[in-house]
Amino acid sequence: KQEVTQIPAALSVPEGENLVLNCSFTDSAIYNLQWFRQDPGKGLTSLLLIQSSQREQTSGRLNASLDKSSGRSTLYIAASQPGDSATYLCAVEDDYKLSFGAGTTVTVRA
Amino acid sequence: GAVVSQHPSRVICKSGTSVKIECRSLDFQATTMFWYRQFPKQSLMLMATSNEGSKATYEQGVEKDKFLINHASLTLSTLTVTSAHPEDSSFYICSARRDRGRDTQYFGPGTRLTVL
Repeated sequence: KQEVTQIPAALSVPEGENLVLNCSFTDSAIYNLQWFRQDPGKGLTSLLLIQSSQREQTSGRLNASLDKSSGRSTLYIAASQPGDSATYLCAVEDDYKLSFGAGTTVTVRA
Repeated sequence: GAVVSQHPSRVICKSGTSVKIECRSLDFQATTMFWYRQFPKQSLMLMATSNEGSKATYEQGVEKDKFLINHASLTLSTLTVTSAHPEDSSFYICSARRDRGRDTQYFGPGTRLTVL
């Protein structure tokens, strides 16, 4: 059974600092990996999707890397802003299903 | 495009009653829909997968008689929590994909269920 772990569980940084969020998974036979953002009491917003054959994806200030063999992904958010405050979830797809981590809750202080 | 809605967004009910949550794909046909639940500060846990016109496939540990899922059309799936109890209080999120394969899952905004 796929297990997805996200470290740290929570993170607080001053505005402007770069964020590094980590995700690990136990079974490397994944089809893809996604990073989502979730605001309190809300649904999920997809940020980046990395196919298993890819090493990274970039969108604006966001960059996600994938090392499938070691079962790791990292989400980098450059020059953080208070609006980046949210919970970030990592999910891997295998067997046509998504398995989620518990998330990293980020607070960016103005 | 690819918008998924859920209704209601919040529901409060008394213990022992049944609650129905709707999930709709607004601008695409969803062959497959998924239902998740999320407890505070925990990850989303997949409850079941439903394919249009077929019976839902439930994950291990999810009671199919308690959580009834119907996917009668390509744009609508419903989750009915029968005889709800306080421990069923949770955040329920649905997602939809166009096919049964590897298409992206599009997520709804979630439904907060509180059972008194």
